[in-house]
Amino acid sequence: AQKVTQAQTEISVVEKEDVTLDCVYETRDTTYYLFWYKQPPSGELVFLIRRNSFDEQNEISGRYSWNFQKSTSSFNFTITASQVVDSAVYFCALSEARLYNFNKFYFGSGTKLNVKP
Amino acid sequence: EAQVTQNPRYLITVTGKKLTVTCSQNMNHEYMSWYRQDPGLGLRQIYYSMNVEVTDKGDVPEGYKVSRKEKRNFPLILESPSPNQTSLYFCASSIQGHGYEQYFGPGTRLTVT
Repeated sequence: AQKVTQAQTEISVVEKEDVTLDCVYETRDTTYYLFWYKQPPSGELVFLIRRNSFDEQNEISGRYSWNFQKSTSSFNFTITASQVVDSAVYFCALSEARLYNFNKFYFGSGTKLNVKP
Repeated sequence: EAQVTQNPRYLITVTGKKLTVTCSQNMNHEYMSWYRQDPGLGLRQIYYSMNVEVTDKGDVPEGYKVSRKEKRNFPLILESPSPNQTSLYFCASSIQGHGYEQYFGPGTRLTVT
């Protein structure tokens, strides 16, 4: 079973629209970390945010915000007033704490965001 | 400049011809890892290393080998490449493993014919 599911394969929006990228994860651990990475068309992978399982506070960084809900095992990412430069593939990832998985990372399949001018 | 470097960036080879993709980081990171990225599958972890001489399998280790003889280097070895190993490969490093953000190299696009 997929540990990290990003059900939205591709999303297209017009500039200035808000957009939310969904991430649903699966783990039995009580201690774990969640991440978001961005992969622009140039191909590099850029770290955006890390959240540990004990911190359910939402986070805002400029036009970016993240909503972590343990009750629904979701860690969604919202871009407010999207811009063309936000066009990229976005990956959600999970790091568990249990001993035999301790240093493994699980990535979702990614959501490709197209922001049109 | 803090970075993860990979070489080569592009490689076309034939089935069965051994190859090595190098990875080096200059951040004194303990943890290094290899991933492959395939359409519709995202990134999947191949191998990771917690420190020199300490390596372990990720989710898709079959057909790959790694070694960590120096802290800064973590080469990926394909002893007998096959077409299903055609992919985009990323090396990454972080201060430690669990819970830390990873810094990724620029990627190596491998084609096996």
